[in-house]
Amino acid sequence: EDQVTQSPEALRLQEGESSSLNCSYTVSGLRGLFWYRQDPGKGPEFLFTLYSAGEEKEKERLKATLTKKESFLHITAPKPEDSATYLCAVAGSARQLTFGSGTQLTVLP
Amino acid sequence: GAGVSQSPRYKVTKRGQDVTLRCDPISSHATLYWYQQALGQGPEFLTYFNYEAQPDKSGLPSDRFSAERPEGSISTLTIQRTEQRDSAMYRCASSLASDYEQYFGPGTRLTVT
Repeated sequence: EDQVTQSPEALRLQEGESSSLNCSYTVSGLRGLFWYRQDPGKGPEFLFTLYSAGEEKEKERLKATLTKKESFLHITAPKPEDSATYLCAVAGSARQLTFGSGTQLTVLP
Repeated sequence: GAGVSQSPRYKVTKRGQDVTLRCDPISSHATLYWYQQALGQGPEFLTYFNYEAQPDKSGLPSDRFSAERPEGSISTLTIQRTEQRDSAMYRCASSLASDYEQYFGPGTRLTVT
C-alpha cells in the first residue's frame, strides 16, 4: 500500500524566512510525485511533478527536489501570499494518487 | 471548458436519501478521478475513468457508492441511502491521461443530516 507522510503539519514563517517542507513516501513502482497548493475553500492547484530521484523543478520562490524516499519543497524568501496548505501525492503502480495530509504554511508580514 | 466544474457546490440531504454529484472535466482530458476529502486531510481516491471505462473503483467505501461516465466526458457520483458518515467534500479531477498532473474542481460539500 502506498503511503505519504508530510512534515511538519503546520509551519509559521516570517516574510523572507526560507524553509523546507518534507514529504516521505513508500510506493510500489513510482510513476510520479506531485506537489499541490490548496487555498481554503478551493481545490488543490497543481505545482510540480517529479519522476525520478535527483530531479528538481522550480517555480518562482518554490523548488521541489526528489530522492528515493522523500521529496522536499523549498520556499525561498516567502511572502504572505505563499500562505496555503501544500499537499504531496504519489502515483504508484495502481495509478491512483495517494495524498499526504499536507503542511499548512502561514507566512507572516 | 476552461477548468473542471462541479455541481452542486453544496448539498444538504437527509439520511436515507440518494444524491448525485456531477463533474464536468476539462474538455481535452481523457482521465477523470473522484476523491473524498475530509477537513484537514488530503484527498482520498474513490475511483477513476479512462474515457468511459472505469478501471479502478477500489476506493469506493461501499456498494452504496457508484460512478459513471457514459460518454467519456461528464461524470456523476451517486450515493444511495446516504448516511451521516458520508458527509464530506467530494472532489473531481481530470488529466490528459493517467500519470499526468491532475486538475481539480472546486468540490461539492455534502452534508447528511
